[in-house]
Amino acid sequence: AQSVSQHNHHVILSEAASLELGCNYSYGGTVNLFWYVQYPGQHLQLLLKYFSGDPLVKGIKGFEAEFIKSKFSFNLRKPSVQWSDTAEYFCAVNYGATYKYIFGTGTRLKVLA
Amino acid sequence: DAMVIQNPRYQVTQFGKPVTLSCSQTLNHNVMYWYQQKSSQAPKLLFHYYDKDFNNEADTPDNFQSRRPNTSFCFLDIRSPGLGDAAMYLCATSRPAASGANVLTFGAGSRLTVL
Repeated sequence: AQSVSQHNHHVILSEAASLELGCNYSYGGTVNLFWYVQYPGQHLQLLLKYFSGDPLVKGIKGFEAEFIKSKFSFNLRKPSVQWSDTAEYFCAVNYGATYKYIFGTGTRLKVLA
Repeated sequence: DAMVIQNPRYQVTQFGKPVTLSCSQTLNHNVMYWYQQKSSQAPKLLFHYYDKDFNNEADTPDNFQSRRPNTSFCFLDIRSPGLGDAAMYLCATSRPAASGANVLTFGAGSRLTVL
């Protein structure tokens, strides 16, 4: 079955620390990849996406993610986190030519000021 | 602003008492989705509509039904809620793309409590 795994469920960092959140998906051919973020009290919103082309994609607020096809991974990174990055982060995969999006279980990030 | 609006934001019901959650969108998106999200779990797709075409996930219980009377509105009906149906219900929309991929736009969710 198609699945998405996020390895870190809870992450606590100090401001200015670097962040990397892991995301792996099960093989299923062509994929489209997303990271969504949910700030406290707000709805899920898109952080960045990969459809094709350069495997290193940049999103809002200094986030980036790298698609490594051989590892079925799409890890999220940020060189220096801020207190305002405290949120829950979800990786999602859409398997090509379908309207089905599969989400990971999410990672709760807490950034200490 | 164009958006996805869910009502009610919080719904409390009794075991077995039917519930309807609503979703409206001003984005004119063809595709509308309902997800169920339980605490510390991934959002789980229940079903989606492409226009009026309904697509049910194989593991969605029969207790869950949906209606889409027009492009703007979509409803989630839970016929006989059980304690295990307590969750956040998320509505999302997207435009179609040739590859099937596009960005999902989410509503704020409806939190269902079952007593």
